[in-house]
Amino acid sequence: AQTVTQSQPEMSVQEAETVTLSCTYDTSESDYYLFWYKQPPSRQMILVIRQEAYKQQNATENRFSVNFQKAAKSFSLKISDSQLGDAAMYFCAYRDEFNKFYFGSGTKLNVKP
Amino acid sequence: DTGVSQNPRHKITKRGQNVTFRCDPISEHNRLYWYRQTLGQGPEFLTYFQNEAQLEKSRLLSDRFSAERPKGSFSTLEIQRTEQGDSAMYLCASSATRDRGRKNEKLFFGSGTQLSVL
Repeated sequence: AQTVTQSQPEMSVQEAETVTLSCTYDTSESDYYLFWYKQPPSRQMILVIRQEAYKQQNATENRFSVNFQKAAKSFSLKISDSQLGDAAMYFCAYRDEFNKFYFGSGTKLNVKP
Repeated sequence: DTGVSQNPRHKITKRGQNVTFRCDPISEHNRLYWYRQTLGQGPEFLTYFQNEAQLEKSRLLSDRFSAERPKGSFSTLEIQRTEQGDSAMYLCASSATRDRGRKNEKLFFGSGTQLSVL
């Protein structure tokens, strides 16, 4: 079974600064997708960004970008120009060949004004 | 598109009672997933449907749990003889599998049903 590891239970960043959240995963597959989801206090899971493993180019979505290192099985999320609304739990997720999603334990991001 | 809808939002029950949750996926989505999330953890896979067929059940899903998706539309998750350990957020998600050659599936989540077993 695939495993997803987020080693940072909690992170803090100053408003307007940049923060990077780490994620590693374990798989024997070569073609897969990786995701970052945001879960605010409302508990609604919101898709932030996704990366296709067969693409070498790192995905970007406005202030959110990833650093995908396939050989190292690493998938970090960089948030630039952090805003107060970015404060939430962030979950890294892996989707396997059977389209099941596996989630990490999450990183709580605090944004300081 | 109203998104994935789950009812109720909150459920408080006494140990030993049965509870049922409902999930209405996005209308054109053929896949429907159930996840369970406890405080401080990521969602854990429970089961999923493709249309009306239940394709997989996690070992986390004991015999007290049953899920259905009649007619491939909404789904229900029933927990019989609830235990305190069943207290968690139950999340439903749906997706549309259109392209068999590429796994470009996005998962859309509902707001969850928070179950508290006293």
